[in-house]
Amino acid sequence: GDSVTQMEGPVTLSEEAFLTINCTYTATGYPSLFWYVQYPGEGLQLLLKATKADDKGSNKGFEATYRKETTSFHLEKGSVQVSDSAVYFCALSGWGTALIFGKGTTLSVSS
Amino acid sequence: NAGVTQTPKFRILKIGQSMTLQCTQDMNHNYMYWYRQDPGMGLKLIYYSVGAGITDKGEVPNGYNVSRSTTEDFPLRLELAAPSQTSVYFCASSPGQDRGQPQHFGDGTRLSIL
Repeated sequence: GDSVTQMEGPVTLSEEAFLTINCTYTATGYPSLFWYVQYPGEGLQLLLKATKADDKGSNKGFEATYRKETTSFHLEKGSVQVSDSAVYFCALSGWGTALIFGKGTTLSVSS
Repeated sequence: NAGVTQTPKFRILKIGQSMTLQCTQDMNHNYMYWYRQDPGMGLKLIYYSVGAGITDKGEVPNGYNVSRSTTEDFPLRLELAAPSQTSVYFCASSPGQDRGQPQHFGDGTRLSIL
């Protein structure tokens, strides 16, 4: 069945460092891909999405490109801030419209 | 804008008790979902609904029931609480069937069963 694998955390960075969180997927057909972010004590918020191959989603300085040839959707940000500390989830649209999530990656940014 | 509202935010239950987790959305979305989030395990789909009167099982439905009598409300019921149901529960909604449409999440209900 469909699945998402993302890198294990936690990821610990200093402010202004470059961030990459790897995400790969297995799916039949042509799923849409998403990154969600969860701040402490809150629900998940959509960070960005891509709906077809080679699409680039971007928001708040974060970017991810839908790579069909490598079945990947890696999240990147050029310069992280303390306020980016959160848990990041990669997800794909599975059967029906339900989302299939990776296990999440905790990012901790220190000043 | 309220979006998706879940109540309660926290609850402690004893084994064997029952309770209903409430979820309501004010965006007139047809699709609604219940997920549970266990530490280090991501989110798993419990039940979903594609419209009033229509519900279906997700990946981990055992021990839960749902109903959808209105577009706005999608309550989740635990009949006989078990320690394995200790988790954080999220309700979500989306407008329709387009796979590109994101889901909107509530803030979650943290449930402990002792």
